[in-house]
Amino acid sequence: EVQLLESGGVLVQPGGSLRLSCAASGFTFSSYAMSWVRQAPGKGLEWVSAISGSGGSTYYADSVKGRFTISRDNSKNTLYLQMNSLRAEDTAVYFCAKELYNSGMNGMDVWGQGTTVTVSS
Amino acid sequence: QSALTQPASVSGSPGQSITISCTGTSSDVGGYNYVSWYQQHPGKAPKLMIYDVSNRPSGVPDRFSGSKSGNTASLTISGLQAEDEADYYCTSYTSSSTWVFGGGTKLTVL
Repeated sequence: EVQLLESGGVLVQPGGSLRLSCAASGFTFSSYAMSWVRQAPGKGLEWVSAISGSGGSTYYADSVKGRFTISRDNSKNTLYLQMNSLRAEDTAVYFCAKELYNSGMNGMDVWGQGTTVTVSS
Repeated sequence: QSALTQPASVSGSPGQSITISCTGTSSDVGGYNYVSWYQQHPGKAPKLMIYDVSNRPSGVPDRFSGSKSGNTASLTISGLQAEDEADYYCTSYTSSSTWVFGGGTKLTVL
């Protein structure tokens, strides 16, 4: 069964750092681009970042560029999101998602259940 | 990266058809055939319903269809069923090599 399982979401103070993880199983992880998408409480979906299957190409939304870093360890079938200089507006449920293809342009066909990040003092 | 424009809400009776629009620009919806649609029930993860404008993943009923004209994409659900009540989001690949989502549309089945 194809599965994604996020972890690492916690309550953190403004200005703090956090690393989210997403463990993948049931598919050849290195063959697919991966994305992070977030959803603030009561709000819509917001694309955050994406990474190619090899990890050689990364992409970011303007709202997180320079503060967040996406990475992957294909030997561990795990996707990461390093989040620095956190702000209250980063409070959200963070989903990891598998892209349909390694091109990363077509859509996200598998999603995790999400992990909650709360930024508050 | 401005969000794509969707109606906040639509409604329909069981058996009817509804269409949800998604308007962007020539830098996203109008420039690429990489529009996808997601269904999200409360408290659940999104589910891919349409990709590449009009393709359905395996397991998605053929009641769901997608199309595009210029800078506007559309999701049509025919033969509405109670379980179709959910939030729907469009998204498009952009000229900046990023994704942009629509604001979401709440579908109510009357």
